Amino acid sequence: ILNVEQSPQSLHVQEGDSTNFTCSFPSSNFYALHWYRWETAKSPEALFVMTLNGDEKKKGRISATLNTKEGYSYLYIKGSQPEDSATYLCASLGINKFYFGSGTKLNVKP
Amino acid sequence: ETGVTQTPRHLVMGMTNKKSLKCEQHLGHNAMYWYKQSAKKPLELMFVYSLEERVENNSVPSRFSPECPNSSHLFLHLHTLQPEDSALYLCASSQGQGRPGATNEKLFFGSGTQLSVL
Repeated sequence: ILNVEQSPQSLHVQEGDSTNFTCSFPSSNFYALHWYRWETAKSPEALFVMTLNGDEKKKGRISATLNTKEGYSYLYIKGSQPEDSATYLCASLGINKFYFGSGTKLNVKP
Repeated sequence: ETGVTQTPRHLVMGMTNKKSLKCEQHLGHNAMYWYKQSAKKPLELMFVYSLEERVENNSVPSRFSPECPNSSHLFLHLHTLQPEDSALYLCASSQGQGRPGATNEKLFFGSGTQLSVL
């Protein structure tokens, strides 16, 4: 079993603030790191899939980095908006299986 | 809309009932998954089907019985559940090449079935 840890567990920010969360995972038997965004009462949706050490991905105001040697990934949100409020999940792909973290719940206040 | 549909959205059942959860995808994906999310816990993989064949059974009790009649449909049959089985059950699919999880392809999730066992 891979332990995937996410921090913080929850985060409250004001509209316009920039924020970031951490996902840490065992660096052995690593194949890929996924980030998902999960709004309440909706389906989790994939944000990024990263595989290579040093990978950086960006989608609008959201970006992510990956360090496979030390086993962590950061997700950044620039200028948070209320519609960014959601739970952000990371998942590490080990041998034939995804291991999910418990998520970071982001609440952006207008 | 991710292209993966789950029904019902909510289900309340007694411990002696038999019920089924349904998942449908029209994305042309080869692999389908059942995940369980209990309160304040990470998503736990239950079952994986690749090309209609079960390739993973993650030590799930026999009171949960999956069925994959074709590559677009996945069921989870429930029988004699316990109150601790109350959770959100999520279905997902991925394109795969017959070996789900061996690639870095992303998962497409349904909205889940919130199950309460009384």
